[in-house]
Amino acid sequence: GDSVTQMEGPVTLSEEAFLTINCTYTATGYPSLFWYVQYPGEGLQLLLKATKADDKGSNKGFEATYRKETTSFHLEKGSVQVSDSAVYFCALSDRYKLSFGAGTTVTVRA
Amino acid sequence: DAEITQSPRHKITETGRQVTLACHQTWNHNNMFWYRQDLGHGLRLIHYSYGVHDTNKGEVSDGYSVSRSNTEDLPLTLESAASSQTSVYFCASSYRGSEAFFGQGTRLTVV
Repeated sequence: GDSVTQMEGPVTLSEEAFLTINCTYTATGYPSLFWYVQYPGEGLQLLLKATKADDKGSNKGFEATYRKETTSFHLEKGSVQVSDSAVYFCALSDRYKLSFGAGTTVTVRA
Repeated sequence: DAEITQSPRHKITETGRQVTLACHQTWNHNNMFWYRQDLGHGLRLIHYSYGVHDTNKGEVSDGYSVSRSNTEDLPLTLESAASSQTSVYFCASSYRGSEAFFGQGTRLTVV
């Protein structure tokens, strides 16, 4: 079945550092890909998405590109802030069901 | 604004009791999901529904049931609560393959 594998954490960074969280997927069709973010004590929120190969999703300085040839959707941000501290989930959807990665905890220190 | 709400936000119950967690969405989405979130396991799918009167088992469905009598609601029932079901539960809804919208979560403690 469809599945997502993402980089294990936790990840600790200093403010203004570069962040990359790796995500690869296995799917039989052409899924949509997502990054969700979960702040402490809250539910998951959509951060960005891409619906087809070579699409780039972006939001709040975060970017991820749908790479069909490498089955990847890595999340990047050039300069993180303390407010970016959260758990990040990579996910895919095959039209009906969402499959999530295990989540990566990111802590940004001032 | 459309939203998805869960209730209660926190619940403490005793082993063996039946518990029902509510989920209500006003997005008019056909798809609804229940997940549990535990440290070291990420999000695991419990049950899901693609429409009224449709329900399906997810990867960790034992001990849980759902019913879908209308578009807006998908209550999750723990038939006989066990300590292993202490967790944070999230409900979500989506339209086809588009992004899912999540509730704020219910923290359930079984003592």
